[in-house]
Amino acid sequence: GQQLNQSPQSMFIQEGEDVSMNCTSSSIFNTWLWYKQDPGEGPVLLIALYKAGELTSNGRLTAQFGITRKDSFLNISASIPSDVGIYFCAGQLRFTGTASKLTFGTGTRLQVTL
Amino acid sequence: DTEVTQTPKHLVMGMTNKKSLKCEQHMGHRAMYWYKQKAKKPPELMFVYSYEKLSINESVPSRFSPECPNSSLLNLHLHALQPEDSALYLCASRVPSSYNSPLHFGNGTRLTVT
Repeated sequence: GQQLNQSPQSMFIQEGEDVSMNCTSSSIFNTWLWYKQDPGEGPVLLIALYKAGELTSNGRLTAQFGITRKDSFLNISASIPSDVGIYFCAGQLRFTGTASKLTFGTGTRLQVTL
Repeated sequence: DTEVTQTPKHLVMGMTNKKSLKCEQHMGHRAMYWYKQKAKKPPELMFVYSYEKLSINESVPSRFSPECPNSSLLNLHLHALQPEDSALYLCASRVPSSYNSPLHFGNGTRLTVT
């Protein structure tokens, strides 16, 4: 199925550094979601974006819904060891039925060193 | 703790076995989803139930049989699986027909087919 292009694929950073990752698509979405997944667990929702241009924060996390509706960005400030994991973006198409599908990005694996 | 509960957490089954995965949520969500996730890959959609009716089947082989007995429960019946079906199976739920209801995931069942 379709996947979104997410970059970088992986990154090693030092504790305290800021992190940026992004997600791009050839298609327009009307919702962007960012999830974090730890080993052996399901994805956990971090931030949901519903409007083009929207900038939303959740603690040290900030995400933006691109103005073209084809991209989204996630920033993590002052990273800590528990930020380690895989971050997935997901785009949701404008639905026509009673259920709608998410298209997931390929994931960014984040590793934080002390 | 996730509000979507999946059992069992781990399952090992032979290719001739019949087993079932279970998912339960009490958030009043009437759209429930099954996803399959291979290692280091994003989740892939399998099935969507909306108001207890199957609304999306992503061309999944018939050896996977979903069932939604009521608005809180979702099952995935497994029969004659192949080793390549080994994966993390994730259940998720949301409010259907609502663009601002993000998908909430359970912690998954780690399935190994021997």
